[in-house]
Amino acid sequence: EVQLVESGGGLVKPGGSLRLSCAASGFTFSNAWMSWVRQAPGKGLEWVGRIKSKTDGGTTDYAAPVKGRFTISRDDSKNTLYLQMNSLKTEDTAVYYCTTDLEVQGVIVTANFDYWGQGTLVTVSS
Amino acid sequence: QSALTQPASVSGSPGQSITISCTGTSSDVGSYNLVSWYQQHPGKAPKLMIYEVSKRPSGVSNRFSGSKSGNTASLTISGLQAEDEADYYCCSYAGSSTFDVVFGGGTKLTVL
Repeated sequence: EVQLVESGGGLVKPGGSLRLSCAASGFTFSNAWMSWVRQAPGKGLEWVGRIKSKTDGGTTDYAAPVKGRFTISRDDSKNTLYLQMNSLKTEDTAVYYCTTDLEVQGVIVTANFDYWGQGTLVTVSS
Repeated sequence: QSALTQPASVSGSPGQSITISCTGTSSDVGSYNLVSWYQQHPGKAPKLMIYEVSKRPSGVSNRFSGSKSGNTASLTISGLQAEDEADYYCCSYAGSSTFDVVFGGGTKLTVL
C-alpha cells in the first residue's frame, strides 16, 4: 500500500523558515517524480513545485510565487521528500501535500497526480 | 500562469448527470492532453479521478468521464450518488519553459 506522510508543519513568523518532510513507502521512491501542492484555508489547490527522479536528472521546477524562496530535495536512501521554505509570507499559509506524478506502465504522466499524503498545515503569522 | 476557470458550484439530484467545465487557454488545456480531475471531500486529500483528459485510474467508477474541446475540458458524472458530493478540481500542464501546472478554482458539487 502506498503511503505518503508529511510532517514538519507549524506556526512560523513572516520572514522565517520551515522544512517539511514527506516519508514515502509502498512504491519505488527513487523512480518517482514528486510534487508539492498546497491549499490555503478555504481555497483551491496550487502547485508548488516538483523534483524528477535522479535517473531523469533530479531537476526541480517551481511555481512563480515560491521560486527563489522554496527548495525541493529528496533523499532516496531514506525514501523522503523535503520542502525547504525560506522568507515565508502570510500568503504561504496553507496545507501542504506531497504527491506522486502518475506512472503508467513505466512512463511518467507529468502534472497528473496519483497518490497524495494527508497534508501538513503551515501557518505564517506574527 | 492564471488559474483555470470552473463554475463555483453545480448541483443535481440522485441518478441525474452533471457536467463541470474547466476553461483554460491555448497555452495549457488547448495545447496538451495532460488534463486531470480531482475529487476532494471535506478535510481529506484530493483523489485522482481522471487523467490525460479522459482516462480513469483503476478503481474509479465508470460513472466518471472526461473530455476536452479546444481550450475547455469537462468532467461528467452520471448516475449521481450522495457520496459524489465533494469539491472537484481540474488541472492542466502549461508548458515546459517554466513547467507550470495550473489548477482550476474548484467546483462544489451538491447532490440534492
